[in-house]
Amino acid sequence: GAVVSQHPSWVICKSGTSVKIECRSLDFQATTMFWYRQFPKQSLMLMATSNEGSKATYEQGVEKDKFLINHASLTLSTLTVTSAHPEDSSFYICSASGHSYEQYFGPGTRLTVT
Amino acid sequence: SQKIEQNSEALNIQEGKTATLTCNYTNYSPAYLQWYRQDPGRGPVFLLLIRENEKEKRKERLKVTFDTTLKQSLFHITASQPADSATYLCAGGPYSGAGSYQLTFGKGTKLSVIP
Repeated sequence: GAVVSQHPSWVICKSGTSVKIECRSLDFQATTMFWYRQFPKQSLMLMATSNEGSKATYEQGVEKDKFLINHASLTLSTLTVTSAHPEDSSFYICSASGHSYEQYFGPGTRLTVT
Repeated sequence: SQKIEQNSEALNIQEGKTATLTCNYTNYSPAYLQWYRQDPGRGPVFLLLIRENEKEKRKERLKVTFDTTLKQSLFHITASQPADSATYLCAGGPYSGAGSYQLTFGKGTKLSVIP
């Protein structure tokens, strides 16, 4: 089946610093990648949708200058959390989709901002 | 706004029985519904997709139904096993362009299969 990796799997950073999370589709070309955030016992909340080679589309309430998304190729998308604060601590998950309805999720990245 | 609701936060069931999870949608008509399994600290894993013109879909011990009149999908696991214990997510969404589709997720139902 389709495999999506995320790196790092967890990261701890100090308040005010920036963190980059990578999402890669390993065995298929992802025309679209999605970035989600999930708080404990909550649903996955879509943050943004990115198509290869174009700017990401952000959901309402998500600051595009804070959460920078780059989808430079059909197999790689990155999410950079800039000037992170403790309230940005969460579980960030990416998914990738080719020309089908199914989304294939990465294992997630646990971000803790101290 | 469009919503996917999974009203049962948790479900406990005896091993060997059939687990039935419910998903309701409001304020829109999804072209399809999907079910995912999520284990703690992990990303969701795709299980099944059912389109609005399909009434039932099966995969091994899994069965999903789609009732557009009730605006509901039911997800069944037959002969449940302790290894089936996980959180199950329902998701749906309309076509959003570029050949791929945005999903709206429910909060999930945590299934515990008791030996």
